[in-house]
Amino acid sequence: DIQMTQSPSSLSASVGDTVTITCRASQRISSYLNWYQQKPGEAPKILIYEATSLQRGVPPRFSGSGFGTDFTLTISSLQPEDVAAYYCQQSYINFWTFGQGTKVEIK
Amino acid sequence: QVQLVESGGDMVQPGKSLRLSCAASGFAFRSYAMHWVRQAPHKGLEWVASTSYDGINTYSADSVKGRFTVSRDNSKNTLYLQMNSLRLEDTAVYYCARAVVPAAMFDYWGQGTLVTVSS
Repeated sequence: DIQMTQSPSSLSASVGDTVTITCRASQRISSYLNWYQQKPGEAPKILIYEATSLQRGVPPRFSGSGFGTDFTLTISSLQPEDVAAYYCQQSYINFWTFGQGTKVEIK
Repeated sequence: QVQLVESGGDMVQPGKSLRLSCAASGFAFRSYAMHWVRQAPHKGLEWVASTSYDGINTYSADSVKGRFTVSRDNSKNTLYLQMNSLRLEDTAVYYCARAVVPAAMFDYWGQGTLVTVSS
């Protein structure tokens, strides 16, 4: 199985800050990396697919980068509504795996 | 609009069985691979199982292999998860999700159904 390791596990930042979350795969996965946002009490929501593509309707302050084993989710100008857990997910092989998640809070 | 509605969650004893359903509407269900993802209380997301659009190919996580079976009925627009030999660690909210190729990202999710395994 492919292991996905996210860091940090949690962070606290101020409104307007730029926030970066990293995700590392245990083997190369090309660009088969997706990012999800999950707000408390809600189902997850897709933000970024194929490492860099923004899902329709997602604010452009969210962006993704990376290829191979190392990936990044960036939130530029953090907003109060961005308080959530964020998960990366690999879809390279038919045994999909998620990272352990990153909780983002407002300072 | 796309809707996925899970049902069947309940509280059961260890070793018992349960079947979850996911009713789909608002899209061509028979054209999409479907997945089950679970989330234990205060934990992260764990992929559980998936089925191809036609139900021919199925996959499951090692943690549930041999105990859980995913299936679908395209005539009823419904996805199923048969859960046997339930364990305490299977306690979780179970979500169904639609997958979009080639990214295999999950673009629509249900609201989840809670399964509690307790003696």
